[in-house]
Amino acid sequence: DAGVIQSPRHEVTEMGQEVTLRCKPISGHNSLFWYRQTMMRGLELLIYFNNNVPIDDSGMPEDRFSAKMPNASFSTLKIQPSEPRDSAVYFCASRWDSSSGNTIYFGEGSWLTVV
Amino acid sequence: GDSVTQMEGPVTLSEEAFLTINCTYTATGYPSLFWYVQYPGEGLQLLLKATKADDKGSNKGFEATYRKETTSFHLEKGSVQVSDSAVYFCALSVDTGFQKLVFGTGTRLLVSP
Repeated sequence: DAGVIQSPRHEVTEMGQEVTLRCKPISGHNSLFWYRQTMMRGLELLIYFNNNVPIDDSGMPEDRFSAKMPNASFSTLKIQPSEPRDSAVYFCASRWDSSSGNTIYFGEGSWLTVV
Repeated sequence: GDSVTQMEGPVTLSEEAFLTINCTYTATGYPSLFWYVQYPGEGLQLLLKATKADDKGSNKGFEATYRKETTSFHLEKGSVQVSDSAVYFCALSVDTGFQKLVFGTGTRLLVSP
């Protein structure tokens, strides 16, 4: 079975440009998470969707960040305009139902560099 | 709030040494506990988990026991290999609220031949 699929794997962009990261969760999973990983802050939860509805977006750093989940098989995380401090690895993850004991599966990450 | 505290790294060991990485937690509800591993340049993979007190999770020679009385979930392996070099994350999830996964800061393990 395919795991969580993220694209692009690597992106280098100039400050001020729009960045769109994409995620396809595991088929049948109804919870989706976006995490950001940096050396300084470790792993931070940005936003959590359940059944395509944003449940907790308290981790979204500011208005430049937005996330959507138009259907059960696709989500995007957009940064506009991007800044150098947004450079990080962005992980998408998914889980089958909302039980806390169920495993969350991670994609391989999108490695973003903003210059 | 819910939180996880891990020992600072890096942990540097020789091959075949015994490994312990400490993890303690604070949770408002009754959490499930996880260890995830991240190899260089890769995403996080579930290593093991435990969903109730006294459960022992195990995988690939690693194990951890859910200790409610000490709010701990320490990771152990009897004999580490060079290929175990990675970053290890302890995490929890509770059934109240949004059931989101809360991570510790990660502990880097370096195993030398």
